[in-house]
Amino acid sequence: NAGVMQNPRHLVRRRGQEARLRCSPMKGHSHVYWYRQLPEEGLKFMVYLQKENIIDESGMPKERFSAEFPKEGPSILRIQQVVRGDSAAYFCASSPGLAAPDTQYFGPGTRLTVL
Amino acid sequence: AQRVTQPEKLLSVFKGAPVELKCNYSYSGSPELFWYVQYSRQRLQLLLRHISRESIKGFTADLNKGETSFHLKKPFAQEEDSAMYYCALKARDNYGQNFVFGPGTRLSVLP
Repeated sequence: NAGVMQNPRHLVRRRGQEARLRCSPMKGHSHVYWYRQLPEEGLKFMVYLQKENIIDESGMPKERFSAEFPKEGPSILRIQQVVRGDSAAYFCASSPGLAAPDTQYFGPGTRLTVL
Repeated sequence: AQRVTQPEKLLSVFKGAPVELKCNYSYSGSPELFWYVQYSRQRLQLLLRHISRESIKGFTADLNKGETSFHLKKPFAQEEDSAMYYCALKARDNYGQNFVFGPGTRLSVLP
């Protein structure tokens, strides 16, 4: 089991471009969480998804940010029209869901730099 | 409001000394608390959770509801304990559950 995979590991975008961050959960995990870590700050929850469902998006900015977890394929965090303030490390975590709801396994993160 | 505070950004101790990383929380519900650790160039991983009442790598943490604290302790620090430590609260609201993380404490164990 390769663990939670995120790609790309580093992403550079110019202001106004779109950023797409991918997260492949651990095998058998149906729950995905996205977190953002701004420089010098802790992790902040963004969104919690199950397959084809957004369960909790209370941490997502209202504009420009969206997330999905389709039936097939990785979870995608999409940031449209990026701004410098979006520069951060974005971490994905997966859990088996009801089988072990408290345990989250984290990916290595994607470091987004907006020029 | 749900909040987790870790007052120390950096904590330096000598090898063999006791270490305590402080964590306080505010939450109106019944709290579930966790400690996560991130070693240099590695991913964040769960260290321990209060409901398990376990000791991992010599670390323990006791939930004190009166003081709303969940401090992480180890009697004798080792150099390999040097890492970032995050305290986290699992909160529930009308939408479900999410995790609230503290800002983290960087532990540096000196030889």
